[in-house]
Amino acid sequence: SQTIHQWPATLVQPVGSPLSLECTVEGTSNPNLYWYRQAAGRGLQLLFYSVGIGQISSEVPQNLSASRPQDRQFILSSKKLLLSDSGFYLCAWTRTRWSEQFFGPGTRLTVL
Amino acid sequence: SQQGEEDPQALSIQEGENATMNCSYKTSINNLQWYRQNSGRGLVHLILIRSNEREKHSGRLRVTLDTSKKSSSLLITASRAADTASYFCATDSSASKIIFGSGTRLSIRP
Repeated sequence: SQTIHQWPATLVQPVGSPLSLECTVEGTSNPNLYWYRQAAGRGLQLLFYSVGIGQISSEVPQNLSASRPQDRQFILSSKKLLLSDSGFYLCAWTRTRWSEQFFGPGTRLTVL
Repeated sequence: SQQGEEDPQALSIQEGENATMNCSYKTSINNLQWYRQNSGRGLVHLILIRSNEREKHSGRLRVTLDTSKKSSSLLITASRAADTASYFCATDSSASKIIFGSGTRLSIRP
């Protein structure tokens, strides 16, 4: 069976510090991978998606970046965090372009 | 721009009653999905309805799709306290991505 992991579960970082969130998928190959951010009580904002290794599409211009160094690994990074980067970050994967999305447990990021 | 928008934003009903949530979207779709999110957790897929389908059932869930009105509804029958969660519709777009609405927060009163 397939599983998706995200870590850490919670993170408190000072403004200006770097960020690295990792997402890995097990039990499948060549998944489509997604990073979302969710503000408190709001919907999901798509940040990045990837259809293959090294292929990243950015949806929102900001100080975040994403990388896919391996087939089932998706990393969200920032060189310098802003207060506005606080939120709940969710990773998801799909088998095909518009099929059911499977979500990880999320990372709660607080930037102080 | 947001593809799917849920209505109402918040809904509070008595346990045992039916809950209906609506989703409207703007452009043509291949399929529409509904997801559920418990507080502080990831989203869980509930049901997918294709553009050539009008109604779909899964347990206590009933989803309808009206492509002429560009709208969908999610009905939860005989609600339970455990149904308390946020519910999101999601629609596909021209690229390899799904766009989520802002969600309906459903509260079930005991």
